[in-house]
Amino acid sequence: ELKVEQNPLFLSMQEGKNYTIYCNYSTTSDRLYWYRQDPGKSLESLFVLLSNGAVKQEGRLMASLDTKARLSTLHITAAVHDLSATYFCAVDIWSQKLVFGQGTRLTINP
Amino acid sequence: DVKVTQSSRYLVKRTGEKVFLECVQDMDHENMFWYRQDPGLGLRLIYFSYDVKMKEKGDIPEGYSVSREKKERFSLILESASTNQTSMYLCASSPIETLNTEAFFGQGTRLTVV
Repeated sequence: ELKVEQNPLFLSMQEGKNYTIYCNYSTTSDRLYWYRQDPGKSLESLFVLLSNGAVKQEGRLMASLDTKARLSTLHITAAVHDLSATYFCAVDIWSQKLVFGQGTRLTINP
Repeated sequence: DVKVTQSSRYLVKRTGEKVFLECVQDMDHENMFWYRQDPGLGLRLIYFSYDVKMKEKGDIPEGYSVSREKKERFSLILESASTNQTSMYLCASSPIETLNTEAFFGQGTRLTVV
């Protein structure tokens, strides 16, 4: 059974700081997604990572995938308040059948 | 703009009622999914469908069934609602497997069973 674990589950940080969210998974997969969820809202796709060594960046967020280590990271650079949300990683087992991590609730304080 | 629409944002139902959650997508996607979201557990897959009239159990199908009579519509059915089915339910759709495929989610239905 595939397990996906995120770390940390809660993160409170100050604006301007850098931090990383980690996503570990237990079996082989070469497709991983990062989603953002605002309170009361649905999931918004952030990144699709398709192969080992994939790195994608959008604004202050950068995601990477190491399939050999079964690890993905979401790095936040110079955080701003607008990035406060819950972030999920999800591993694709087959044809978009996703297994999600528990989510990381990120709070960025002024 | 891609769209996955769930029929209700909020529902309150009584224990033992039969509950229907409806999901419609306008992107001609083959794949459709139902997840439930609970705090600290992330999203867990209930059922999915890769084609009309086709369904497959996900990780937590007990107490649920689904129906897919048309390509654009995927319904989740709680045969006899129980309080432990109080949760946020999210529907998603995606095209058939291609490079760079991703799933698109509806806005969610928050179901309370009393």
